[in-house]
Amino acid sequence: SQQGEEDPQALSIQEGENATMNCSYKTSINNLQWYRQNSGRGLVHLILIRSNEREKHSGRLRVTLDTSKKSSSLLITASRAADTASYFCATVGSGGGADGLTFGKGTHLIIQP
Amino acid sequence: ETGVTQSPTHLIKTRGQQVTLRCSSQSGHNTVSWYQQALGQGPQFIFQYYREEENGRGNFPPRFSGLQFPNYSSELNVNALELDDSALYLCASSWIAGGFQETQYFGPGTRLLVL
Repeated sequence: SQQGEEDPQALSIQEGENATMNCSYKTSINNLQWYRQNSGRGLVHLILIRSNEREKHSGRLRVTLDTSKKSSSLLITASRAADTASYFCATVGSGGGADGLTFGKGTHLIIQP
Repeated sequence: ETGVTQSPTHLIKTRGQQVTLRCSSQSGHNTVSWYQQALGQGPQFIFQYYREEENGRGNFPPRFSGLQFPNYSSELNVNALELDDSALYLCASSWIAGGFQETQYFGPGTRLLVL
């Protein structure tokens, strides 16, 4: 079963604008990760944030984590056409990593040139 | 490029048949996980192998089984295929230390169609 939900399910913006995606989850976590998937192929790891961290940056990406609300957000600044993809959040439970990653349903991002 | 490869890229099978999907993990990783991704959904965890033994399993029946080999390769076997098994199958390798899953490196996937 899916751990949580990404919001929105789909997002279309103009190139150069910022894109924000949200993720909610249900159980306590050790870490939360964001992945990108192009055209139904393999997933690419973007960023990992641990449960004791509140914000993390990587290039044009900014991730926040609020464990009290069980939510995370991914901000992509100055979007480019190449950012068009599906974005998934995935959690690792606090009980250990043998349960693999638990993914949401994803946000489909379209960047209009 | 993650260094994780999968074969074949596409596969068509008939209901009731058996299928074997293959994955070559990134060198040095001690863990391989398999996921099933239905169209329009997020990946769902099937199982995980750590040092050649299954140490975690999602909500999938026993007809889904696997193997991990010392040379970093692994297999996913599905018996008695059903129409609902049609999906993209992803393998991912990682290094687990301290018991918690960190970054996973995904292969490009095998798209299975069951007719």
